[in-house]
Amino acid sequence: DSGVTQTPKHLITATGQRVTLRCSPRSGDLSVYWYQQSLDQGLQFLIQYYNGEERAKGNILERFSAQQFPDLHSELNLSSLELGDSALYFCASSLQGNEQFFGPGTRLTVL
Amino acid sequence: AQSVTQPDIHITVSEGASLELRCNYSYGATPYLFWYVQSPGQGLQLLLKYFSGDTLVQGIKGFEAEFKRSQSSFNLRKPSVHWSDAAEYFCAVAPRGYGNKLVFGAGTILRVKS
Repeated sequence: DSGVTQTPKHLITATGQRVTLRCSPRSGDLSVYWYQQSLDQGLQFLIQYYNGEERAKGNILERFSAQQFPDLHSELNLSSLELGDSALYFCASSLQGNEQFFGPGTRLTVL
Repeated sequence: AQSVTQPDIHITVSEGASLELRCNYSYGATPYLFWYVQSPGQGLQLLLKYFSGDTLVQGIKGFEAEFKRSQSSFNLRKPSVHWSDAAEYFCAVAPRGYGNKLVFGAGTILRVKS
């Protein structure tokens, strides 16, 4: 158990819908990272927050957004969902340095 | 652009045999280097990391990796594989400095024959 929690574990929804994925980092970790794992793209970095502020952006679509709240939990919002958005979404957290601890992931299925 | 290459998509070894998973990276400067393992339906678990110093690093579960600057490689090894090691293994790099994103290789699926 890494100490990073993600909810829900599974999410099934339809095209065009909007969903919110939630991540609680390890106690004391200030950085939260979101990654997407898909069969065709592999593991890709989406976005990073540090202590409530956006720190870095990767290959995140404009339809996706994220935020980190004062209690340091983070949410990833995915809207206007397409079939190709079906993937495993991971959250990771770190205190300092580059050792990132990953949550169990949320598996999103878009039908 | 930064890239990580894991040339083997699948590897099958017999239980008790030795294992080496290859990883090469393309980077302007030596990055931080990691190996993660993902069991089916699970998240990613950090096996080991290299930041600096001794180029042979020890990790959890009996794994080790060797950093070779001249070859831009960071290969993962285990002297004797157990059936429970069957999983997917990812090599990852991050630029030096605080809190940078990880760039992952495509992964190597390890199958263990009994």
